[in-house]
Amino acid sequence: DTGVSQNPRHKITKRGQNVTFRCDPISEHNRLYWYRQTLGQGPEFLTYFQNEAQLEKSRLLSDRFSAERPKGSFSTLEIQRTEQGDSAMYLCASSSQGSPLHFGNGTRLTVT
Amino acid sequence: AQRVTQPEKLLSVFKGAPVELKCNYSYSGSPELFWYVQYSRQRLQLLLRHISRESIKGFTADLNKGETSFHLKKPFAQEEDSAMYYCAIKGVGSGANSKLTFGKGITLSVRP
Repeated sequence: DTGVSQNPRHKITKRGQNVTFRCDPISEHNRLYWYRQTLGQGPEFLTYFQNEAQLEKSRLLSDRFSAERPKGSFSTLEIQRTEQGDSAMYLCASSSQGSPLHFGNGTRLTVT
Repeated sequence: AQRVTQPEKLLSVFKGAPVELKCNYSYSGSPELFWYVQYSRQRLQLLLRHISRESIKGFTADLNKGETSFHLKKPFAQEEDSAMYYCAIKGVGSGANSKLTFGKGITLSVRP
């Protein structure tokens, strides 16, 4: 499968712990997006990279959240001092200019 | 700001019945509209985009700028169409950002 790959698929953590998720986009795509999805809602935009530059961040992305794409390829999303409200599915997507977004399977985070 | 409204959460029909999934949007510029679908245990995937003017799996959607709508239609529903459907919008043009904004989604259930 040469699609968008996300790891891990599931993460259970205790409140207050830090977690990091990884996304490997489709290789020829220079744009990478992070979304969050909770039950009964559509995906909500978190942040977006073009190559290694982070071009936009949503107000949903509090100071506890940080995303990087150091070499313009894979990306990581870190959540520090997790809270129960952070429990959600975290989706990564990639695209090139003019192409639609291709999504990964997501990482399901459960904060206990 | 760009916004998508999917007014219904669930549509349940019998196999062979027509289907219309409603989507209304608000956007101040020139938008591009999409329908994404998520089948059970699968990733979110593109169904169709208005600029392609294609029929995918028997589904069509016409952009109505006067009514700011992009309803998804299929004349005869099949059981395999049962899934979650999301309408999404993106700005077009050099000044527009490339993020997708999603509606809350609608569950389509097709009964035998």
